[in-house]
Amino acid sequence: EAQVTQNPRYLITVTGKKLTVTCSQNMNHEYMSWYRQDPGLGLRQIYYSMNVEVTDKGDVPEGYKVSRKEKRNFPLILESPSPNQTSLYFCASSLGGAYNQPQHFGDGTRLSIL
Amino acid sequence: SQQGEEDPQALSIQEGENATMNCSYKTSINNLQWYRQNSGRGLVHLILIRSNEREKHSGRLRVTLDTSKKSSSLLITASRAADTASYFCATDEWPGTGKLIFGQGTTLQVKP
Repeated sequence: EAQVTQNPRYLITVTGKKLTVTCSQNMNHEYMSWYRQDPGLGLRQIYYSMNVEVTDKGDVPEGYKVSRKEKRNFPLILESPSPNQTSLYFCASSLGGAYNQPQHFGDGTRLSIL
Repeated sequence: SQQGEEDPQALSIQEGENATMNCSYKTSINNLQWYRQNSGRGLVHLILIRSNEREKHSGRLRVTLDTSKKSSSLLITASRAADTASYFCATDEWPGTGKLIFGQGTTLQVKP
């Protein structure tokens, strides 16, 4: 089954403790992206990757890192999480660029930073 | 960065009625997409309309795009309780940077 898989689905952690949210897709998509969703703010793009070893900042990249060493994986790293990063996070992928292809979304990761 | 704005923020209708949601954006685009999100779940792609298209249909969905007004509308005809969800528009920036900007969404409730 074609899918985007995020892990973990839920995480409660404390300020400053490094964490990684994994994202994997099995559709051989070039484009992958991370979003955060907050009430009243919709989805905001954190980082995106047009292909392996190519990453670019979205609208809210501060406090996040990403890497794209393999086509299928695009982990989101919070090196020193803070409470304002408490949010619902989504990974998405598409064949080709986001400007002309539908995005396939994962089921989300709900992060709580205490 | 550009921001899609959706109107209304919330909409409540009876089953069988039509639902119309609007989206406005600020800069030139390659295309505009509509997504649906059931409560707390991932977004599901509904329809993509290119900047040179004015109208597109998919089942009970009808999307229009007016690039001169920088606006789009999503019409769901003969709504069902299962259409209850949040609906988002998403736009890119011409000529295509890879960024995708989502609106804040319209929450639709369809009462049985």
